[in-house]
Formats: sequence, structure tokens, C-alpha cells
Amino acid sequence: AQSVTQLGSHVSVSEGALVLLRCNYSSSVPPYLFWYVQYPNQGLQLLLKYTSAATLVKGINGFEAEFKKSETSFHLTKPSAHMSDAAEYFCAVGAETGTASKLTFGTGTRLQVTL
Amino acid sequence: DAMVIQNPRYQVTQFGKPVTLSCSQTLNHNVMYWYQQKSSQAPKLLFHYYDKDFNNEADTPDNFQSRRPNTSFCFLDIRSPGLGDAAMYLCATSRDRGKRNEQFFGPGTRLTVL
Repeated sequence: AQSVTQLGSHVSVSEGALVLLRCNYSSSVPPYLFWYVQYPNQGLQLLLKYTSAATLVKGINGFEAEFKKSETSFHLTKPSAHMSDAAEYFCAVGAETGTASKLTFGTGTRLQVTL
Repeated sequence: DAMVIQNPRYQVTQFGKPVTLSCSQTLNHNVMYWYQQKSSQAPKLLFHYYDKDFNNEADTPDNFQSRRPNTSFCFLDIRSPGLGDAAMYLCATSRDRGKRNEQFFGPGTRLTVL
């Protein structure tokens, strides 16, 4: 079975500081990994995805993530936090079931950005 | 813009009174999903349709049903809502069933049960 673990349910950074949100995965097959962002009372929006093409993946809003097989990690980073980045972030691993592209989500990390 | 639309955005119902949430998509995707998301939790998959083929998750209560009359529309029916069913309900689509296919989410419907 595939799973993801997000370390830190809450992360607080100052505006302009580095954002680092951690995600570790467990998978017996090469994983497909996703980061989604959820703003209050909104659906989930895809930030970026890893599908084995390149280990460093660039996404929207200045975010990127690096796939490290040796560490089974897919951490999300942004060099300089902005107030608008405050949201819930979910890491997910994809699996094919025969009829769907199923996602197994982590428990989420709430990012707070302070002045 | 192609998108996933959910109506209504907020729904209030009474304990035990049936309620239907709707989802439509202009992406022409094959797969449609319904998730339940409670406060400060990850979304929990209830069921999905691959084309007209309905697939229920093993732990989805019988109280939850779904219909997909055509490619564009999908409905979530809650036959007798309980207080524990108050949550955000998210509809999502994916182009196909391969694991590389990301899911596209609608804005959600927040259900309140009085």
C-alpha cells in the first residue's frame, strides 16, 4: 500500500523567509507524487506533480519540490514566503486501480505567514 | 475556462432530510470523484465513476449515493443526513485512470446539518 507522511501539521514563517514543507512517501512501485494547496473554503488546487520525468519539479506561485528516492522524500519549497501563501498544503501519492487515478493524501500542513 | 463547478457552495439541511449536491465539469474527463472533507482533515474518497462505471469505497456509508446521468454531471445524494455528515464535499475529475493523471477539484459544497 502507498502512503505519504507530512511532518508538521502547522508551520509558521515570516514573510520573505524560506518555506519548507516536508513530505515522505512509502511506495513499492515508482511513485507519482502531487502537492495540492487549499485556501479557506475552497477546493484543492494542484501546485506541482512528479511523474518521473525530472527530479526537480517547478510549480505555480514560485513553489518547487525535489524528488529524492534515497530519502523517499518530496519536500515542497519556496525561497520567499508571501502573505498570500497562507493555506493548507497536502502531499499525495497517486495509484491506478483499474478505474481511477486514486490519490492517497497526507494529513496536511497549515502554513502561516507572519509579518 | 474549463473547470469543475459545484452547486450550491453552501447547503443547509435538517437532520434526516434528503439532500443532493451537484457537480458539473467542462473538461470532458472520464473519471469523476466525490470526497468528504471534515475540518482540519485530508479529503476522504467516497466513490468515483469511470465513465458510467460506479465504484464505491469499502467504508462509504450506505447513506451516501451517487448518480452520473452523463459525462458532464455527477450528483451526491445523502438520503438521511446526520450531524456527523456536516462537512465540505469536494468533487474532482481526472482525464483518465492512470496514476499520472492529476485530479482537478471543484470549489466544494459546505454542508451544514441542523
